[in-house]
Amino acid sequence: DAGVIQSPRHEVTEMGQEVTLRCKPISGHDYLFWYRQTMMRGLELLIYFNNNVPIDDSGMPEDRFSAKMPNASFSTLKIQPSEPRDSAVYFCASRVVSEAFFGQGTRLTVV
Amino acid sequence: AQSVTQLDSHVSVSEGTPVLLRCNYSSSYSPSLFWYVQHPNKGLQLLLKYTSAATLVKGINGFEAEFKKSETSFHLTKPSAHMSDAAEYFCVVSANNNNDMRFGAGTRLTVKP
Repeated sequence: DAGVIQSPRHEVTEMGQEVTLRCKPISGHDYLFWYRQTMMRGLELLIYFNNNVPIDDSGMPEDRFSAKMPNASFSTLKIQPSEPRDSAVYFCASRVVSEAFFGQGTRLTVV
Repeated sequence: AQSVTQLDSHVSVSEGTPVLLRCNYSSSYSPSLFWYVQHPNKGLQLLLKYTSAATLVKGINGFEAEFKKSETSFHLTKPSAHMSDAAEYFCVVSANNNNDMRFGAGTRLTVKP
C-alpha cells in the first residue's frame, strides 16, 4: 500500500477562493482524520469519520470549512471562501485498531 | 475528554547523551498513548504506542516510553541521542471509547554534535 495520499502537496490561492484538499486513506482503514498544523496552535483535530460517517466535527473552525467522505477511499476538506488565516499544513490520517498513519500533508497558503 | 501536556517546548542534548521528552495526559477513560515524530517538512511517523498491555513500550530507533498511571505520565526516552533524532516530537492520547486522537503542543529536540 502506498500509504495515505494527500493532494495537492502545496496550494497557493487568493483570499476568497474555494480550496479543496483531497485524501485517499489506506485501504481497509475505517477511521479518517483531518488535522491542521500551525505554528501558533500546533496540531488541531478538525474532524474525523468512522466508516465514512462524520463522528466529531467540533474542531472545524467555522462554517467556511466542510468535509466529506463519499466512500471508503476518498475524503475532501473544502474551505469556501478561504482567508489568509487558513494558511497552514493540513494532514489527513487513517486508522485501523490503534495506529494512525499520516499523509505528507498539504501546505496551504492563502494570499 | 482527553488532553496531553508536553512539558518542554524545546529540548537540547548533545550527541551520545540521553534524551527525555516529558508528557502528561488527562483522560476520563483508559487511554491509548502514542509518540509521533515529525522531521522538517515531513509527515508524522509513529514511534511507539501504549494500548493497555506492557507499561514499558519499546519503539523504533531505540526510543521507549513508560506508562505511569499514578503519575499520568508517558515520558519518551532514549539512552543515546543521534544527530538524526533532531525533529519535533508529539505525545498523543486517545480514549479507547471514542477513538479520536489529541496531540500535545510538541517538543522540538535539538541534538548538538
